Amino acid sequence: QSALTQPPSASGSPGQSVTISCTGTSSDVGGYDYVSWYQQHPGKAPKLMIYDVSKRPSGVPDRFSGSKSGNTASLTVSGLQVEDEADYYCSSYAGSNNLLFGGGTKLTVL
Amino acid sequence: EVQLVESGGGLVQPGGSLRLSCAASGFTFINYAMNWVRQAPGKGLEWVSTITSAGNTYYADSVRGRFTISRDNSKNTLFLQMNSLRAEDTAVYYCAKRYGSVWYYFDYWGQGTLVTVSS
Repeated sequence: QSALTQPPSASGSPGQSVTISCTGTSSDVGGYDYVSWYQQHPGKAPKLMIYDVSKRPSGVPDRFSGSKSGNTASLTVSGLQVEDEADYYCSSYAGSNNLLFGGGTKLTVL
Repeated sequence: EVQLVESGGGLVQPGGSLRLSCAASGFTFINYAMNWVRQAPGKGLEWVSTITSAGNTYYADSVRGRFTISRDNSKNTLFLQMNSLRAEDTAVYYCAKRYGSVWYYFDYWGQGTLVTVSS
């Protein structure tokens, strides 16, 4: 199975909103509500930001939100802050005890 | 405080073997599925393997038949035995703890251990 498809880069100015897409197929993103998003700063381990498409773990600011339509999931970061600059990865359960990640999106805060 | 500390990485020749360990603390290890996720230099994340609290094991197609995940609940330690290593296995290997009720969300990660497969 192929990795999920994400744009390589995204950008926005402080205070703006930016949305990152994650496209899969009906066998993964479209077939299950088990999409998650991770934030990774350079040289650091990933951090879980969104799970079950749109839920936030405790401690994650509500500026981060997730959604899904068909085979595409999205992460929206509202009120961009400088510290949001990082790589973001989506992930989806793909059935048969298999998990897929996206290729990652580098978010730049201009 | 949850801590995950990987060890065992290093330089190995193609076709060789390596065993990674992940020492866990700060939570009831036996109750949680544990996972290995890797990241090739400058690349994205790739799920490698999972072992549930019941001992069920799952593998990515890219490593099935070559890698074996296991756990020692008495020592709170997760392992990954890697055989028949290939250049494309070169990556930082992270162990990660399950979040919530399903195995495919990860809330705590180790700092990673680098595996380099090269002659």
